[in-house]
Amino acid sequence: ETGVTQTPRHLVMGMTNKKSLKCEQHLGHNAMYWYKQSAKKPLELMFVYSLEERVENNSVPSRFSPECPNSSHLFLHLHTLQPEDSALYLCASSQDLGAYEQYFGPGTRLTVT
Amino acid sequence: QKEVEQDPGPLSVPEGAIVSLNCTYSNSAFQYFMWYRQYSRKGPELLMYTYSSGNKEDGRFTAQVDKSSKYISLFIRDSQPSDSATYLCAMSTFSGNTGKLIFGQGTTLQVKP
Repeated sequence: ETGVTQTPRHLVMGMTNKKSLKCEQHLGHNAMYWYKQSAKKPLELMFVYSLEERVENNSVPSRFSPECPNSSHLFLHLHTLQPEDSALYLCASSQDLGAYEQYFGPGTRLTVT
Repeated sequence: QKEVEQDPGPLSVPEGAIVSLNCTYSNSAFQYFMWYRQYSRKGPELLMYTYSSGNKEDGRFTAQVDKSSKYISLFIRDSQPSDSATYLCAMSTFSGNTGKLIFGQGTTLQVKP
């Protein structure tokens, strides 16, 4: 295991639901990331946090709302999603912002019906 | 034009074959070049990284960077069924501490026994 855990591993939700994805890192890292992985597309960086402060928001729709209460935990709150939001959502951490080695969790497979 | 281009495959080879995986890129400011490996139902993990141009070898794996051609490669010698995975190239400028990773689409490799 990489030291980054994500829950739930699978999630099916309707377009009117509200749900949250959780990420926890046990590595003592200072930076955390949310990525979206869709089939045949590159990993899309969504949000970046450094020392609990959001430093990047890559033009992500407001139906995705991140939260970083401390340097070990990261959440992604979801509401009124669209079917095209179905994807694998990956959380990652790195020692510091911009480090080339990022440690990824196993991801949450999200299906929006 | 995408910043990083990678043939998604799939690529199928017999056990023991030499595998060549490649990426091209357009941003000449990239200085750090990484290869991540992603097994099914897992997050990506860093396999190798190279700074600037040149070769780097680690066991059966060799990473090459040709900045003049904006082309990077990963070679796998004596490929094994356990090498079956998706291989993602990633690049970064790492200017100060604001650099972020730009990923290719990933190439799916299957090594048949």
